[in-house]
This record gives sequence, C-alpha cells and structure tokens, in this order.
Amino acid sequence: DSGVTQTPKHLITATGQRVTLRCSPRSGDLSVYWYQQSLDQGLQFLIQYYNGEERAKGNILERFSAQQFPDLHSELNLSSLELGDSALYFCASSVFRGATYNEQFFGPGTRLTVL
Amino acid sequence: AQTVTQSQPEMSVQEAETVTLSCTYDTSESDYYLFWYKQPPSRQMILVIRQEAYKQQNATENRFSVNFQKAAKSFSLKISDSQLGDAAMYFCAYRTLKGPLVFGKGTRLSVIA
Repeated sequence: DSGVTQTPKHLITATGQRVTLRCSPRSGDLSVYWYQQSLDQGLQFLIQYYNGEERAKGNILERFSAQQFPDLHSELNLSSLELGDSALYFCASSVFRGATYNEQFFGPGTRLTVL
Repeated sequence: AQTVTQSQPEMSVQEAETVTLSCTYDTSESDYYLFWYKQPPSRQMILVIRQEAYKQQNATENRFSVNFQKAAKSFSLKISDSQLGDAAMYFCAYRTLKGPLVFGKGTRLSVIA
C-alpha cells in the first residue's frame, strides 16, 4: 500500500458525460501528479499540482481540468467524454521539497470506461 | 523533449533463467533519474529499481540489476533467477529531479514454468 488513495476504483459512463476522479496523496506529500494509461497512448503525464498550484502540464486535453484543494487532495475533471478517454488514470504524490530526490508514489488507479 | 524507447514489446524467459529488458532514452539534461516499474495484472505501479545519472555504479536490488550506459543513453534491466511472480509489464521511465515521469511503451514479460 503506497498510501495514495484514489476513488472510485471503477467508473462506467456514457459519451458526452462528465466525471470527477479523486486522489488523496500520502500524508505530508505536497505534490500530486496525474497520469493516463491508455492502450494507444501508453502511460503519459497529464498535469502536476504543488501545494494547490499548477506546476507542470503535459498532454492534457482542454476537456480535462484538475485542481488541488487546501487539504491537498486533488480532483481530475473529465468532460464531454469520448470513447478514446477510456483509460486507467493514476495519481502519484511526492514530497517535492528541497534539492533532493523525492519518490513519486502511485495510487491504485481509477479505471474509466466510456460507452 | 525527453523520450523513452523500449524496443521489445514482448519477452519470455524460463523460470530460474536470466532475462534482459532493453531501454534507450533521449535527453539533453545532464542530471536525471531512470527507473524500471513493474505493472502486474493488478495494474498497480511498482517501482523495481532506480538509477541516478550522476552515479557510475549500476543499481542493484536483489535479483534485479541495471546496465546504465550514460553516453549511449541506454538503461537495461536484468532479472536473474526469474520467478513466476516476475511476469508483468515492465516500464522504463525517466525524470528530472522535480519533473514528471516519462514512460516507455512497456515490455510484457512472460515467465514459463
């Protein structure tokens, strides 16, 4: 158990709908990363938050947005869903402090199926 | 942009034998980290081994070791005494100190009893 929790574990929805994925980082971790694992794109970085602020952006679609709340949990919002958004969405957290290496710890993922 | 390439989509190994998974990467950074992650059928991402680019010595973790060739930008994973539980997808990944992980496409490893 990495200490990172993600809810829900599974989500099935229809095209055009909107969903919210939730991530609670490990206690003390200030940074949250979101990754998408799909069959055609592989594992790719979406977005990173640090202490409530967006830190880095990857291949995140405009239909997707995220935020990190004062209690440091993060939510990934996916809207106008398409079949191709079906994927496993991972959250990872790290301390992200100082000039030393900080491990990224992965949650168990949320499996999104768009029908 | 940094890229990670795994040229072997699938590999197989006999139980108790040794197998090597290949990975190459491209970066203009001088300070970075390389990883091998294991993803079993449960889909959990499990860190297998980490290599700091500034270290010349190859990292080892029990039966897992790497061959890090910085000039060639090569980072292979050797699994010795393969076990049935080693069967999984293996991802090579790169990151800078504070950056996100950049993953390869993965290699599916089968272990034959």
